[in-house]
Amino acid sequence: AQKITQTQPGMFVQEKEAVTLDCTYDTSDPSYGLFWYKQPSSGEMIFLIYQGSYDQQNATEGRYSLNFQKARKSANLVISASQLGDSAMYFCAMREGSLGGTSYGKLTFGQGTILTVHP
Amino acid sequence: DTGVSQNPRHKITKRGQNVTFRCDPISEHNRLYWYRQTLGQGPEFLTYFQNEAQLEKSRLLSDRFSAERPKGSFSTLEIQRTEQGDSAMYLCASSLGLAANTQYFGPGTRLTVL
Repeated sequence: AQKITQTQPGMFVQEKEAVTLDCTYDTSDPSYGLFWYKQPSSGEMIFLIYQGSYDQQNATEGRYSLNFQKARKSANLVISASQLGDSAMYFCAMREGSLGGTSYGKLTFGQGTILTVHP
Repeated sequence: DTGVSQNPRHKITKRGQNVTFRCDPISEHNRLYWYRQTLGQGPEFLTYFQNEAQLEKSRLLSDRFSAERPKGSFSTLEIQRTEQGDSAMYLCASSLGLAANTQYFGPGTRLTVL
C-alpha cells in the first residue's frame, strides 16, 4: 500500500488565487512528521512546511499553510495568492518513527503534483 | 553559500563504467541522506549516515552501489558497472540533530547512462 498518496497529477490555478494540493498518508506509527517540498524544473527540492503528528495547530509559513486532518490522515497544502513562480512540482513526504528511537528520519515521498499558475 | 552542494550536476556515462558523486552537506549537519529520483516519480531513500557511520541502507542499494562519509563531512556515492536503469537524479540531503528535523536538499546530480 502506498504510504503517501497524491491523487492530483496536475493542477492549474489563476495568478493571485488560492490552490489546495491534496495529500493522504498511511501509517500506524503514533509519531510522524509530514513535509511539503517544491521542486522547480531546476531539480532542487525546496522545503516549504512541516507538520508534526502531535502538533495541535495547523502549520503556516507565509503563503503556505498545511490543512492537517489527523483522523482522515490528510495533510493538504494550501497556497494562497498564487504567483507565477509557484509553478513547479510539489511533493508531500512523511517521516515515521519516534523521536530519539530507532528512526533515522528517512522520508517517504508521494508521486507529486505539477502546479501550473496562469497569468 | 551555506546550502547543500552536489557535484557534478550532470554526468553522462557509458554502460559498464563507474561513476562517483559528491555531496557536501550544510556545515555542522551530522545527518546525511541519499535519495534517487526517476522521471515522474518522487525521491526514494537510498542510504543514511549519522556522522561517519552508515546506519541504514535501502534494498534499492544493490551491491554495485557504495556510499561513504569518511570524516563525517562530505559524502560520496559510487556506482560500479553502471546500467541504463541507473539513469536518474541522485539527491543528497542533510539535517541537524534529531531524526525529526527538516532535511535540506542539494541540487542533485543527474546521471544518464547510455
